[in-house]
Amino acid sequence: GAVVSQHPSWVICKSGTSVKIECRSLDFQATTMFWYRQFPKQSLMLMATSNEGSKATYEQGVEKDKFLINHASLTLSTLTVTSAHPEDSSFYICSAGRTGSSGNTIYFGEGSWLTVV
Amino acid sequence: GENVEQHPSTLSVQEGDSAVIKCTYSDSASNYFPWYKQELGKRPQLIIDIRSNVGEKKDQRIAVTLNKTAKHFSLHITETQPEDSAVYFCAPGRGGGNKLTFGTGTQLKVEL
Repeated sequence: GAVVSQHPSWVICKSGTSVKIECRSLDFQATTMFWYRQFPKQSLMLMATSNEGSKATYEQGVEKDKFLINHASLTLSTLTVTSAHPEDSSFYICSAGRTGSSGNTIYFGEGSWLTVV
Repeated sequence: GENVEQHPSTLSVQEGDSAVIKCTYSDSASNYFPWYKQELGKRPQLIIDIRSNVGEKKDQRIAVTLNKTAKHFSLHITETQPEDSAVYFCAPGRGGGNKLTFGTGTQLKVEL
């Protein structure tokens, strides 16, 4: 079946450095992908909508210069956390929808744990 | 933006009992109503969903009921089992349904 995969699953980085997280749709094309962030014991919060070939759409309160999103192909979106700080430590997860004969199905990546030290 | 709340935030039941979680939303344009189960550190797993032209849907021990007029939908789990213990999220969507707004979450604990 359709799968969305993220990499890396875990990453630890030093404060001030940048980290890139990849989200791939493995057997379908996704013109739109979504990035969520989840702090411990909290809900998933939508950060931005990644649009293939154009700029991402960010949710209110999300800094676009800090969370860079690139969707250069129909199967890959990347989220780069720039100048990471400990408060950016969180679970980041992407999703993409696939339209099939039975309707639209949303697939989530495995998620990426980011720890900034 | 969409405001999505769940009640209760925590729910503890005895094995075999039923559990009901309610989700209220604010966006009247929402037309896709899924429920997700999330275990610690893992991706959300879709357990049941319903679209706005249907009032109720059932899949074995799990059911979802929708009241679009009142803007709420509920998850019903019957004959609960310990493996049902997890955090449950509602996540209404609109348009194509790919963009979801997650609810506040409900921690369900099924005790032996």
